[in-house]
Amino acid sequence: SQKIEQNSEALNIQEGKTATLTCNYTNYSPAYLQWYRQDPGRGPVFLLLIRENEKEKRKERLKVTFDTTLKQSLFHITASQPADSATYLCALEALSGGYNKLIFGAGTRLAVHP
Amino acid sequence: EAQVTQNPRYLITVTGKKLTVTCSQNMNHEYMSWYRQDPGLGLRQIYYSMNVEVTDKGDVPEGYKVSRKEKRNFPLILESPSPNQTSLYFCASSPIYRTGENTEAFFGQGTRLTVV
Repeated sequence: SQKIEQNSEALNIQEGKTATLTCNYTNYSPAYLQWYRQDPGRGPVFLLLIRENEKEKRKERLKVTFDTTLKQSLFHITASQPADSATYLCALEALSGGYNKLIFGAGTRLAVHP
Repeated sequence: EAQVTQNPRYLITVTGKKLTVTCSQNMNHEYMSWYRQDPGLGLRQIYYSMNVEVTDKGDVPEGYKVSRKEKRNFPLILESPSPNQTSLYFCASSPIYRTGENTEAFFGQGTRLTVV
């Protein structure tokens, strides 16, 4: 069956460290993968998109990798800050019912402690 | 300011009482969709619309209806709500959604619905 898996357990790290979140998928062949940030009770906000022919994408303190062989994307936040505390969702583009749509993982909650 | 606006933000209703959650976007996006978010299950698509008067079922459409009479509006209708529809609902829009053209989704602020 098709699955997108993100760590369900919260990730707790110390301020200043690098946070690494994982997104694994099975039985999909996405051309794109996206990462979103979601704060409690609010809608997800787009962060980064990476294409299947891109190994790595950076935006300020954020870095995303995409390994289509391992079927995995890693999301890194360097020099993490308490303000980075949120839930991070990965989403991949998948063909379903004749059109492409975004399929979301359940998200991983990140807590950055001072 | 570019945004997707949902109303209401919070709603408590009783089983069987019809309700509508409104969604409006000001970005002239073609594609709009509704999701529900439940703990541990992530975002699941309810319905989507590729353009005006074009709507189709997502993954969990049972018990919901939608309409797309204007490009900017995409209301979600629960004709006879039941307790299992208690959830956090999000409306989203994006400029286009065709094969090979993937763009970010813009989400509304969410509607927390409780059906008792």
